[in-house]
Amino acid sequence: EVQLVESGGGLVQPGGSLRLSCAASGFTFKNYPMRWVRQTPGKGLEWVSDISLSGDRTYYADSVKGRLTISRDNSKNTVYLQMNSLRAEDTAVYYCAKGSNGTIDNWGQGALVTVSS
Amino acid sequence: DVVMTQSPLSLPVTLGQPASISCRSSQSLEHSDGNTYLNWFQQRPGQSPRRLIYQASKRDSGVPDRFSGSGSGTDFTLRISRVEAEDVGIYYCMQGIQWPRTFGQGTKVEIK
Repeated sequence: EVQLVESGGGLVQPGGSLRLSCAASGFTFKNYPMRWVRQTPGKGLEWVSDISLSGDRTYYADSVKGRLTISRDNSKNTVYLQMNSLRAEDTAVYYCAKGSNGTIDNWGQGALVTVSS
Repeated sequence: DVVMTQSPLSLPVTLGQPASISCRSSQSLEHSDGNTYLNWFQQRPGQSPRRLIYQASKRDSGVPDRFSGSGSGTDFTLRISRVEAEDVGIYYCMQGIQWPRTFGQGTKVEIK
């Protein structure tokens, strides 16, 4: 069974940093691109970032470019999202997700990030 | 960016009746590899999203056959043949043909 378990969420002040982790199991991690998708409270879904199999290619939404960085460690079956210079509008549930060929076939349970003073 | 537009945004339905959600993209989602990169997701209250349909019409295993996806180019539809109580939630389309990936605004399905 595929499992994606996010951790590292919490309350952070504007301008602060946070690192989310997503531990994957139940599939061959190194064979799949990984993604982060977020959902602001009561709102819709927003794609944040993708990373290729080896991590040599990354893609970002314009709203997070230069502030959020996706990475992966295939030896640990883990994908990360380093979040710097956080803003109030980054407050959201962040989902780790798996999928190739332009789709998402599995989602984690989500990690809540709250940016507030 | 590819803009995804769903309609309606709210869909009250009667149990046992059909329901239909439209998703339109600002650019064609048909790739030169022959696939159409349109996905449908269901998000039940308090849960993570779950994929129902990929490549416009391929239903995921475990998804009831009352759900079907159709369409091509820029015009797509998710149909529920007979709505059940467990179908309440928000439904999203998402394009996977180019970056940035983009979602529709979501359609809230509720029981009348």
